[in-house]
Amino acid sequence: NAGVTQTPKFQVLKTGQSMTLQCAQDMNHEYMSWYRQDPGMGLRLIHYSVGAGITDQGEVPNGYNVSRSTTEDFPLRLLSAAPSQTSVYFCASRRLRTGDSNQPQHFGDGTRLSIL
Amino acid sequence: DQQVKQNSPSLSVQEGRISILNCDYTNSMFDYFLWYKKYPAEGPTFLISISSIKDKNEDGRFTVFLNKSAKHLSLHIVPSQPGDSAVYFCAASVGGTSYGKLTFGQGTILTVHP
Repeated sequence: NAGVTQTPKFQVLKTGQSMTLQCAQDMNHEYMSWYRQDPGMGLRLIHYSVGAGITDQGEVPNGYNVSRSTTEDFPLRLLSAAPSQTSVYFCASRRLRTGDSNQPQHFGDGTRLSIL
Repeated sequence: DQQVKQNSPSLSVQEGRISILNCDYTNSMFDYFLWYKKYPAEGPTFLISISSIKDKNEDGRFTVFLNKSAKHLSLHIVPSQPGDSAVYFCAASVGGTSYGKLTFGQGTILTVHP
């Protein structure tokens, strides 16, 4: 049981380059989300999805795009990387029932992204 | 505006003693609270949670206390073990149609010395 898998684990980009961070889960979870972790700021929600074809913005969505074409995958795209996007990115998923917040999210091991 | 705050960046405890990690929140709409533990180079893993209708929840060595009037929660680890050394994140969510989106604190680094 792989859980939540994130690729790549590390990436270095130049300013202005684009890339996609991959996230896949094998638990048939409806809810998936992306967070970034920065020193002294905890984890902040970037985008989330409650099912295939449905996405919405979190706390810090600017500079990031997402799509959800399948239940399993939730890629995060940086269209034009900026040094401010240097961070550790975590993908998470959880089972979802409307109004039920009592299911903990399962996190991947993260992607460490450096933008020069 | 930090809605969930962990004001102690670090905590050092002797093995066998109690570890107490604290968390404060400002949003009175939060109705579910969680603690996550994170080792280096790994993702956060769920530890324990508490609903706002309770004031205490226990799971083995871990107990979470919630004081709604003070908007404060704490995680007690008894007895502390060296393997408990990690970063601990407090998180909160609002139920209903918010789908349980999590707001995290900054984290507290716990070091348990043998």
